[in-house]
Amino acid sequence: DVKVTQSSRYLVKRTGEKVFLECVQDMDHENMFWYRQDPGLGLRLIYFSYDVKMKEKGDIPEGYSVSREKKERFSLILESASTNQTSMYLCASRAGSQPQHFGDGTRLSIL
Amino acid sequence: QKEVEQNSGPLSVPEGAIASLNCTYSDRVSQSFFWYRQYSGKSPELIMSIYSNGDKEDGRFTAQLNKASQYVSLLIRDSQPSDSATYLCAVSKGYNTDKLIFGTGTRLQVFP
Repeated sequence: DVKVTQSSRYLVKRTGEKVFLECVQDMDHENMFWYRQDPGLGLRLIYFSYDVKMKEKGDIPEGYSVSREKKERFSLILESASTNQTSMYLCASRAGSQPQHFGDGTRLSIL
Repeated sequence: QKEVEQNSGPLSVPEGAIASLNCTYSDRVSQSFFWYRQYSGKSPELIMSIYSNGDKEDGRFTAQLNKASQYVSLLIRDSQPSDSATYLCAVSKGYNTDKLIFGTGTRLQVFP
């Protein structure tokens, strides 16, 4: 079974903080993705990576950056957290053209 | 027009009935189509994938794809209360199979 692990289920941070969300997969997948999910808006792609040190912007990259130094780990960084970044964040990975599999999600609250 | 549209529901069906969930998409060249199930407070879980026109069956689930009409559907036979969840339709963006566009989901309620 595919295992995608997100470091925190719940996280509370303050406005202006730099926030790191970590995601690890154990299946040697090339592709990894970060989404946010908001009521009425569905899942929206923030960034994805198709190889180590490679990244591509998704549909809503503003205010976020990513890092992929090792194949198994994909980090999402909120450079200066704002209240409108309060959301559920979901990491996914996949091998080649296979379907994406999701981690458990991180519910992030910015106060 | 949204790129991927689903009726938000709730769709209420009695236990044992067939639940029919529909999804339309706007990009004619989309290649890959997926159905995910999401329980409240949980992450999406892949139910079905379909890539060519027609039906694909897996247990109680059948995915149907009609590229000419740009819709994909999911049928759940012998619905169970445990099927109560939000079902997300996801469609690849054009020829780029890396990117998925998700619908906002249809909430299904199966009552005993």
